[in-house]
Amino acid sequence: EDQVTQSPEALRLQEGESSSLNCSYTVSGLRGLFWYRQDPGKGPEFLFTLYSAGEEKEKERLKATLTKKESFLHITAPKPEDSATYLCAVLAYGGSQGNLIFGKGTKLSVKP
Amino acid sequence: NAGVTQTPKFRVLKTGQSMTLLCAQDMNHEYMYWYRQDPGMGLRLIHYSVGEGTTAKGEVPDGYNVSRLKKQNFLLGLESAAPSQTSVYFCASSRGENTIYFGEGSWLTVV
Repeated sequence: EDQVTQSPEALRLQEGESSSLNCSYTVSGLRGLFWYRQDPGKGPEFLFTLYSAGEEKEKERLKATLTKKESFLHITAPKPEDSATYLCAVLAYGGSQGNLIFGKGTKLSVKP
Repeated sequence: NAGVTQTPKFRVLKTGQSMTLLCAQDMNHEYMYWYRQDPGMGLRLIHYSVGEGTTAKGEVPDGYNVSRLKKQNFLLGLESAAPSQTSVYFCASSRGENTIYFGEGSWLTVV
């Protein structure tokens, strides 16, 4: 069964304290892995798409990496405004676009 | 750019009542989706559409119906609301099988 697991469920950091969020996945074949940010009371906001192992993408303090089993979202020197829930989702081969599988998210809190 | 717009944003229904959530996108995307998000469950797909006049079931379609009469609009209907349908509903769209963009959400409470 295809599944996506995110860890930790919650992460509390001090401003400037770098860390990483994990998204591990089990799918028959990966077509794409997506990272989203979700603020309270808002819809998910697209961050990155990764398609193959070894691929990396960066945006400001965020860097996403991909291996054959997992993806990491690295946060360098985070600021309080980076506080949000980060969602990971995968699209597998053999499935339609309707088969995008989401993890339950990691809630990040960054304290000043 | 408005992107994906959902109406209404908040609604309270009594058990057994019906209602329709409206989604509109201005990005000329072919694909549109309805998800629900519940605490501890993550986002789950209800129904989706790959083009005008087409719809398909997702992971949790029971109790919902959808229609895609126009490319830019995707309607989600609840014929007889149940307390189990209390949730946050998100509409989304994509250009083919690419990145999915979400609306701001609709909070529905069924009492």
